[in-house]
Amino acid sequence: GNSVTQMEGPVTLSEEAFLTINCTYTATGYPSLFWYVQYPGEGLQLLLKATKADDKGSNKGFEATYRKETTSFHLEKGSVQVSDPAVYFCALLPNDYKLSFGAGTTVTVRA
Amino acid sequence: GAGVSQSPSNKVTEKGKDVELRCDPISGHTALYWYRQSLGQGLEFLIYFQGNSAPDKSGLPSDRFSAERTGGSVSTLTIQRTQQEDSAVYLCASSPHVDYGYTFGSGTRLTVV
Repeated sequence: GNSVTQMEGPVTLSEEAFLTINCTYTATGYPSLFWYVQYPGEGLQLLLKATKADDKGSNKGFEATYRKETTSFHLEKGSVQVSDPAVYFCALLPNDYKLSFGAGTTVTVRA
Repeated sequence: GAGVSQSPSNKVTEKGKDVELRCDPISGHTALYWYRQSLGQGLEFLIYFQGNSAPDKSGLPSDRFSAERTGGSVSTLTIQRTQQEDSAVYLCASSPHVDYGYTFGSGTRLTVV
């Protein structure tokens, strides 16, 4: 079946540190991949997406590249900010259109 | 409206009562999802509507759960004879196209006491 596995948190970083959140997936066909973010007290927001292999999604300094050979979509940010603490969800949209989410990774930032 | 609107934002109900949760998607969005977010359980798919096609109900956890979408727009999720394990945040999302990212509403926090 289709599934998403992302690294467990919480992840605690110092301000301006490099952030990576690993995400791997299992799917048939050619899914689209997404990262969603949930800031404290707020709803889910789309952060970035990639719809085919080798696409790079980017937004707010975050990037993720769709790697079909490793079935991965790792999220990266070169310099994490105090505005970035949130729960980050990797998500998969396969051919059957059931958007599947990873368990979420909580990120905290030390000023 | 500009976004996906869900109501009520919070609902406290007694065990055994029925509840209705409403979702107003973004105008023109043909795809609509319901998800459930439970503490420690992540996001669980419930049901998917696409245009006038028959909905995919494969994620509904029991026959106490049902959903409908009238006129391809507003959707209502109904939970009958609520149980404590139904307590969660129920999220609705819509999209103009299946390959777009989905826009989520702020959710309805349901507490069954």
